Amino acid sequence: EAGVTQFPSHSVIEKGQTVTLRCDPISGHDNLYWYRRVMGKEIKFLLHFVKESKQDESGMPNNRFLAERTGGTYSTLKVQPAELEDSGVYFCASSHTRPDRRYGYTFGSGTRLTVV
Amino acid sequence: AQKVTQAQTEISVVEKEDVTLDCVYETRDTTYYLFWYKQPPSGELVFLIRRNSFDEQNEISGRYSWNFQKSTSSFNFTITASQVVDSAVYFCALIGTDSWGKLQFGAGTQVVVTP
Repeated sequence: EAGVTQFPSHSVIEKGQTVTLRCDPISGHDNLYWYRRVMGKEIKFLLHFVKESKQDESGMPNNRFLAERTGGTYSTLKVQPAELEDSGVYFCASSHTRPDRRYGYTFGSGTRLTVV
Repeated sequence: AQKVTQAQTEISVVEKEDVTLDCVYETRDTTYYLFWYKQPPSGELVFLIRRNSFDEQNEISGRYSWNFQKSTSSFNFTITASQVVDSAVYFCALIGTDSWGKLQFGAGTQVVVTP
């Protein structure tokens, strides 16, 4: 089975620009999560989709971040306008149940975002 | 509130040495799950182990072993006879019953294994 796919793998943008990250979960996984790790700190939860609905978006840092999951398949995370402190690695994860009681979550390889 | 502490920022060892990564957690939940993930230089997060709060049995998988002690709220991870391929960042994480959607991660421990 294909894993969780994220792209781009790297993105370098200037402050004030817009960037859209994409995540394709494992087929059939209703639960999709976004996390990020900034400046070598801990990985922090951003939000959780169940199908196309936002179940929990308490980790979204501010209204410059917009996540969508149209049709309950892939998800996008848009940062507009990007700021320097948004630099970090953005991870996507998916699971069939919450949490997956055998394997936790399946994570993608992450998107490394650098804002200059 | 839940918290996971990995006090060791970086550990450097020479190949074949053992290395133990500490993880201390805080939660008010009686039912919770603990995880270890590995992040190699390629970037992805690789699941290593999951342990629920009712199972304190230690586990060994090849060169990896885990010591779960509920009395001290610790879930430590040992790599025996380390290899260069073990070089990675290792994260400990927790899910409690009041936050089924969220993994609470520690800050991670960078392990550097030199030949």
